[in-house]
Amino acid sequence: NAGVTQTPKFRVLKTGQSMTLLCAQDMNHEYMYWYRQDPGMGLRLIHYSVGEGTTAKGEVPDGYNVSRLKKQNFLLGLESAAPSQTSVYFCASSYYARGTRGYTFGSGTRLTVV
Amino acid sequence: GQQLNQSPQSMFIQEGEDVSMNCTSSSIFNTWLWYKQDPGEGPVLLIALYKAGELTSNGRLTAQFGITRKDSFLNISASIPSDVGIYFCAGPLVQGAQKLVFGQGTRLTINP
Repeated sequence: NAGVTQTPKFRVLKTGQSMTLLCAQDMNHEYMYWYRQDPGMGLRLIHYSVGEGTTAKGEVPDGYNVSRLKKQNFLLGLESAAPSQTSVYFCASSYYARGTRGYTFGSGTRLTVV
Repeated sequence: GQQLNQSPQSMFIQEGEDVSMNCTSSSIFNTWLWYKQDPGEGPVLLIALYKAGELTSNGRLTAQFGITRKDSFLNISASIPSDVGIYFCAGPLVQGAQKLVFGQGTRLTINP
């Protein structure tokens, strides 16, 4: 049982390049999330999905797009990377439950935009 | 929007010492979660609190849900080197929902 798997683990992009971060979960979770982590700012929600074919904006969505074509996968895209998008990106998933439950996180993707 | 403020932002302690950290909010939360992030890894859930006044333990870790529902506390007793990491509090943006807001984190460093 792999849990939440993120690829790639590291990436360096030049300003203006595009890329897609892949998140895959094998727990049959309905909900999936993309967060970014910056020093001193904790984790901030970029986009999230409450089910296959649905996506919604989080706290810091600008400059990112997402897609959830399959329940197990949640893709995060950067169309034109900027240095301000240098960060560590975490994907997480959770299941539907009455009341709030915790997330299962991936191990992160460290992205540097130069 | 809702924000969670953690303190202290960083701690430098000796092995064997007890650790206390807290998380406060201007809004009421009905759930408090505490996560730990090891270097190079994603956060892992340590303790979940669902009721005001609740005190819950997980080994040497104890967390409390504040009576006002605007704060929570995490204590670590007799710290060991593997306690090093960043500790995050988190709570739901909407009651009962799965969308979480996180505090800025408390970075714990332990001197052997």
